[in-house]
Amino acid sequence: GENVEQHPSTLSVQEGDSAVIKCTYSDSASNYFPWYKQELGKGPQLIIDIRSNVGEKKDQRIAVTLNKTAKHFSLHITETQPEDSAVYFCAAPYMKTSYDKVIFGPGTSLSVIP
Amino acid sequence: DGGITQSPKYLFRKEGQNVTLSCEQNLNHDAMYWYRQDPGQGLRLIYYSQIVNDFQKGDIAEGYSVSREKKESFPLTVTSAQKNPTAFYLCASSRGQGGRSNSPLHFGNGTRLTVT
Repeated sequence: GENVEQHPSTLSVQEGDSAVIKCTYSDSASNYFPWYKQELGKGPQLIIDIRSNVGEKKDQRIAVTLNKTAKHFSLHITETQPEDSAVYFCAAPYMKTSYDKVIFGPGTSLSVIP
Repeated sequence: DGGITQSPKYLFRKEGQNVTLSCEQNLNHDAMYWYRQDPGQGLRLIYYSQIVNDFQKGDIAEGYSVSREKKESFPLTVTSAQKNPTAFYLCASSRGQGGRSNSPLHFGNGTRLTVT
């Protein structure tokens, strides 16, 4: 069935350290993997995404890696800053419906300690 | 600036009353969605619309209704039939029709509904 698992559910790091969040999806036909950041009281905002034809994408301190064989993808944040504190959601499309149903992971609450 | 506007930010209602949440977008997106977010849970799809005058039920549509009379607007009505309406409601849009695209979702900043 459709499912996106996300680990860890909470993550606490010291400012300047790296943070890694991992997601696993079930639909092998999935081909687009976005990451969203949700700050308190706001809606999620896209921070980075990757398509299935590449294995890694980087944007300044944020990177995403994709392993299609293992059906998992990860978010890497380097040199973390207090403003990185938020809830992060991964997502993947479930292709076996009449539309690309987007399945979200349950979220990771990241705290960056100054 | 283009974006999605949800109003109001906070909404309080008495049990048994219907309430309508507003969602407007000026991104010229075809697809629009309503999600519900409860504490400690991910996003659950209530309804989606691929195009004007068309909409489909998501995973938790019971007790909700929508309309899509204009491309820019996708209001959600929480009816008295919804057993646990208190939640944070998020509206989103995307470029592709019905989400059959590899484009990201653009979210509004949500409406927090409290029903007592």
